[in-house]
Amino acid sequence: AQTVTQSQPEMSVQEAETVTLSCTYDTSENNYYLFWYKQPPSRQMILVIRQEAYKQQNATENRFSVNFQKAAKSFSLKISDSQLGDTAMYFCAQKGAQKLVFGQGTRLTINP
Amino acid sequence: ETGVTQSPTHLIKTRGQQVTLRCSSQSGHNTVSWYQQALGQGPQFIFQYYREEENGRGNFPPRFSGLQFPNYSSELNVNALELDDSALYLCASSKATRVRTGELFFGEGSRLTVL
Repeated sequence: AQTVTQSQPEMSVQEAETVTLSCTYDTSENNYYLFWYKQPPSRQMILVIRQEAYKQQNATENRFSVNFQKAAKSFSLKISDSQLGDTAMYFCAQKGAQKLVFGQGTRLTINP
Repeated sequence: ETGVTQSPTHLIKTRGQQVTLRCSSQSGHNTVSWYQQALGQGPQFIFQYYREEENGRGNFPPRFSGLQFPNYSSELNVNALELDDSALYLCASSKATRVRTGELFFGEGSRLTVL
């Protein structure tokens, strides 16, 4: 069975700081994808970054990067130079053959 | 290019009633999936439709059913509503070739409250 666990229900940092959100997962599949989605108060899920499990290189998208540790089944998100607009719920998700499985989310607040 | 649109945005029903939620896929997308997001939780996969047929289902009872139309829009129907069905229902669309890689585009959801 696929499971995704986010152990930090809430986090808060000052604007311009760096913050890391944690995620662990479990799957029996060899070929899968990992994601971080952002859900602002508007409710729309927005894809932040994606990692293919067979790629060893960590994905990077501008200020967002991941630390993918396949053996440990860990997939953390680092946000550099955080901005007020980064305030949102962040969900880690894993996709195997079919469905996308989400964690319970981390509420991130960026303070001015 | 229009995004994923869902209707209604909010609705209130009473226990035992039936509800239909609607979703228009993003242009060029032929696969649609539905998720239930209870308050304070992550979304849970309900089912997926491709070419008007259900081709994947999560752990939801048969009273949750769906349709996909030739224009790739979709409906989620829930019969015999229960209090625990209160949630945000998210629709996501993608191209079939991108489903595997998880490139989903989500709508803003329909907030259902069951009293």
